[in-house]
Amino acid sequence: DAGITQSPRHKVTETGTPVTLRCHQTENHRYMYWYRQDPGHGLRLIHYSYGVKDTDKGEVSDGYSVSRSKTEDFLLTLESATSSQTSVYFCAISGALGGGETQYFGPGTRLLVL
Amino acid sequence: AQTVTQSQPEMSVQEAETVTLSCTYDTSESNYYLFWYKQPPSRQMILVIRQEAYKQQNATENRFSVNFQKAAKSFSLKISDSQLGDTAMYFCAFMGPQRGGSEKLVFGKGTKLTVNP
Repeated sequence: DAGITQSPRHKVTETGTPVTLRCHQTENHRYMYWYRQDPGHGLRLIHYSYGVKDTDKGEVSDGYSVSRSKTEDFLLTLESATSSQTSVYFCAISGALGGGETQYFGPGTRLLVL
Repeated sequence: AQTVTQSQPEMSVQEAETVTLSCTYDTSESNYYLFWYKQPPSRQMILVIRQEAYKQQNATENRFSVNFQKAAKSFSLKISDSQLGDTAMYFCAFMGPQRGGSEKLVFGKGTKLTVNP
């Protein structure tokens, strides 16, 4: 299994509070991704990174920001959490962007916003 | 934009039998990649199988095989000799051809498979 960890694994927070989720990899892969998974929607891309300090938006980026100061860490921040951001969040990594490169996923973080 | 459709929200199969999960997609590209991921109750996303559109041969991984029909834009997953551990959500996913470009994974909504003893 790819060396990907996510923290925290579970979190309960209140509306309006900031939340940061961390993804850590030991594979030295250049590309990292954040997805959210909701019933009836599959997985949808929030943001991705193609290198240290290089990030771009995905399909559902509103309300989220990301940062990548080191190759191994990719942070997802909800500046002011809303109930619509209750979801399961997955981090993924790959050795290349597109071109059929397989993405490997972390274990997920379950976030509940009350 | 590419779309991926899994028309079977839920399916069930008896242990040791064969089951086929359906996936269709929409794209104007001639080359692309298709994936099946498995998500057991642990929620871990696990790659099951990968298919390159320019390869005519259907991919196979042990008990898992695909039926890739490029003209019909269909990519079904066949699970033979189903086992209780195959109980999971299965997601079909599409990726376009560009390396280093803007191609991302696009997922279907999933099929929940239950294997009954």
